[in-house]
Amino acid sequence: TQLLEQSPQFLSIQEGENLTVYCNSSSVFSSLQWYRQEPGEGPVLLVTVVTGGEVKKLKRLTFQFGDARKDSSLHITAAQPGDTGLYLCAGPGGGSNYKLTFGKGTLLTVNP
Amino acid sequence: NAGVMQNPRHLVRRRGQEARLRCSPMKGHSHVYWYRQLPEEGLKFMVYLQKENIIDESGMPKERFSAEFPKEGPSILRIQQVVRGDSAAYFCASSKGRSSGEQYFGPGTRLTVT
Repeated sequence: TQLLEQSPQFLSIQEGENLTVYCNSSSVFSSLQWYRQEPGEGPVLLVTVVTGGEVKKLKRLTFQFGDARKDSSLHITAAQPGDTGLYLCAGPGGGSNYKLTFGKGTLLTVNP
Repeated sequence: NAGVMQNPRHLVRRRGQEARLRCSPMKGHSHVYWYRQLPEEGLKFMVYLQKENIIDESGMPKERFSAEFPKEGPSILRIQQVVRGDSAAYFCASSKGRSSGEQYFGPGTRLTVT
């Protein structure tokens, strides 16, 4: 079974600070996705990383896929209260390219 | 709204009743996936459907749960004789092709069994 471990589980910071959250596995993934989920809503796709070592930027968010495609990180620069939410990583598992395996997420709170 | 639509957003059922959850995929998407999010647990895959076909139901409990995606109309996730342990958020996702990298999620249905 391919598992995705996310850390930290909870993170509370002040507006303007930088942060990094992590997604790790002992298994190789062909791709990883990052989602953000707000309370009472569904996950919203932020990015998909496919190539080992790949770095993608989305405004103040920087996503990196590990060289061995077993881990990924999300770095947020100058966090804002609007970044508050549950950040989930996910990847195809169970021997398929469509069945997403999710981590339990990092719950980020950015205080004004 | 061109996104994935789910209804109802909230559903309360008593033990033993049936729950029907509906999902309309994004325009142009013919692949639908259902996931369940239990309290304190991550999202778990339940079933993958294409129009009129169940492709993979390996994540679905063997009893009381069924899913369909008819030629016309939304995909339906049906839970018969609900129990308290079925209380969860149920999410539908859709994609254009059979790929994990492009699944877009709906807002979910929160099922509460009393």
